[in-house]
Amino acid sequence: GQQVQQSPASLVLQEGENAELQCNFSTSLNSMQWFYQRPEGSLVSLFYNPSGTKQSGRLTSTTVIKERRSSLHISSSQITDSGTYLCAMERGGANTGKLTFGHGTILRVHP
Amino acid sequence: DPKIIQKPKYLVAVTGSEKILICEQYLGHNAMYWYRQSAKKPLEFMFSYSYQKLMDNQTASSRFQPQSSKKNHLDLQITALKPDDSATYFCASSQEGGGWGNTLYFGEGSRLIVV
Repeated sequence: GQQVQQSPASLVLQEGENAELQCNFSTSLNSMQWFYQRPEGSLVSLFYNPSGTKQSGRLTSTTVIKERRSSLHISSSQITDSGTYLCAMERGGANTGKLTFGHGTILRVHP
Repeated sequence: DPKIIQKPKYLVAVTGSEKILICEQYLGHNAMYWYRQSAKKPLEFMFSYSYQKLMDNQTASSRFQPQSSKKNHLDLQITALKPDDSATYFCASSQEGGGWGNTLYFGEGSRLIVV
């Protein structure tokens, strides 16, 4: 089965609305990361967040490792936030760089 | 300026041919990786290298061979190409032992189409 499940699969927002993206893991994990994939395909690291809450600008990530879940909150969405948001977990030995990715949440923000 | 350079950005190859995907990183990292993203599939881990040594290989086929000529280089040679190899191949790097964890940074990808 799928080890990393992301929801929703897609999301459409009007500019200014907030979004909450979810990531659930079916196995124990050491850490997790959130990435943003631009429409043309390039990847940007958003958060390395093994536990707790981290914030960067309008983005907030909260991970509860014991409950095997993480969320990404986007506040006051902008058109340029459109793209795919990917979460990934790292398991096994720490710092292996071996990530298991979810399918992603496709976000579209309209004016 | 991109700190992880992948070449070529786009590539069309004939079935049965051989291609090399180039990756150079200028982040000073000691670990490098290859990932693959096929249509309708999540990003998949392929290889990890640390200080130019293979650490992990999750690719079943020996047609995929990483090559590390320098610490900041990790190329990917693919032989006997098949249409199923069509995908975007991402190179990534990280600094092992960094106090902020093993954050991976990705290149912009090399999109390979095998016809």
